[in-house]
Amino acid sequence: GAVVSQHPSRVICKSGTSVKIECRSLDFQATTMFWYRQFPKQSLMLMATSNEGSKATYEQGVEKDKFLINHASLTLSTLTVTSAHPEDSSFYICSAGGGALYEQYFGPGTRLTVT
Amino acid sequence: QKEVEQNSGPLSVPEGAIASLNCTYSDRGSQSFFWYRQYSGKSPELIMSIYSNGDKEDGRFTAQLNKASQYVSLLIRDSQPSDSATYLCAVNGGGSNYKLTFGKGTLLTVNP
Repeated sequence: GAVVSQHPSRVICKSGTSVKIECRSLDFQATTMFWYRQFPKQSLMLMATSNEGSKATYEQGVEKDKFLINHASLTLSTLTVTSAHPEDSSFYICSAGGGALYEQYFGPGTRLTVT
Repeated sequence: QKEVEQNSGPLSVPEGAIASLNCTYSDRGSQSFFWYRQYSGKSPELIMSIYSNGDKEDGRFTAQLNKASQYVSLLIRDSQPSDSATYLCAVNGGGSNYKLTFGKGTLLTVNP
């Protein structure tokens, strides 16, 4: 399968600061990238879908001004959590899709802790 | 509202047994079906994809699809303790949209 990387793998930040998470597809051109959030022992929750060169589509209830997504190229998407608060602490996972078989490949995830 | 339903488990099987994981979906127009494995604290890993009715085998894994019944399953033969994880069923509705609808997952425990 395709390889997707995420950076950083783990980040701790103070309340009120912003954090940027990078997602890269290393061996294929990702037409579409997805950002998910997962709280402990809960299901994956899709936050937004981003297509290269266009604005992201956010799921209902996800604040687009708080979770800024940029998909500048076919291999890179970034998620910026602005003015983070402790309730934003979660496991953020990106995935990339772009093949003819509609498969999505996940990055290893970023564990965000806001203190 | 497109839905994917899975038994949350936990499903417990002894080592060497066959584990059977089931999934139903609501969107009759769904085209692509996937099984992901997620270990605790890790991100999901794609283990099987299936697109047409019938069985698809890959090593110890067999995916089964029945579009008429809107049912997809995953069989794991000769289950190993390392197979203990949450298994997520995911469905794609087709078209040019790569968005997947995920089930809540079934926790599988394989006992040595």
